Amino acid sequence: ILNVEQSPQSLHVQEGDSTNFTCSFPSSNFYALHWYRWETAKSPEALFVMTLNGDEKKKGRISATLNTKEGYSYLYIKGSQPEDSATYLCAFIPGTASKLTFGTGTRLQVTL
Amino acid sequence: EAQVTQNPRYLITVTGKKLTVTCSQNMNHEYMSWYRQDPGLGLRQIYYSMNVEVTDKGDVPEGYKVSRKEKRNFPLILESPSPNQTSLYFCASSLGGGPRNEQFFGPGTRLTVL
Repeated sequence: ILNVEQSPQSLHVQEGDSTNFTCSFPSSNFYALHWYRWETAKSPEALFVMTLNGDEKKKGRISATLNTKEGYSYLYIKGSQPEDSATYLCAFIPGTASKLTFGTGTRLQVTL
Repeated sequence: EAQVTQNPRYLITVTGKKLTVTCSQNMNHEYMSWYRQDPGLGLRQIYYSMNVEVTDKGDVPEGYKVSRKEKRNFPLILESPSPNQTSLYFCASSLGGGPRNEQFFGPGTRLTVL
């Protein structure tokens, strides 16, 4: 089983703060990395699919970067809002491109 | 509406009583997969299917079976459930080419095995 780690495990910020989390994955045999947002009592929803070293993706106030050579991806949230409260998951897809391995997630709580 | 559906959403059963959780998608996706979610362990892949009649083990396949006779359906079968299979289960699907494309998740099935 591949080792995909996310840090921190949880984060509590105030409205308006900017924050970032890390996903670490094996640097060899990379195929793709996904980021998902998972709100309580709902299903995970895709944020980004990243495939190339140096990729930068953005959706509104959320952005992500990818470094496949050193095996990490960052997710950034600018000006956090209470509706950003969720667990953020990354999923690593190795070169065989058949399986996904998820990290355990970063739980973000944004308060007023 | 494009979606992945799962049934049942909630199930309480007893040890050893065979059960099936259904999963269906209406997006003509080739790749389908089952995951279980346990506290502190994240989403772990049970089985996946690259296309009709093509299935393979994920990271935690013990105690589960799957089949893919039609493109839209991917049922998860527990032949003899045990309490350690109590979990939240998600089915997901994505466009062809394996899981490189974003996964679309079903609403989840919460299973309790007594």
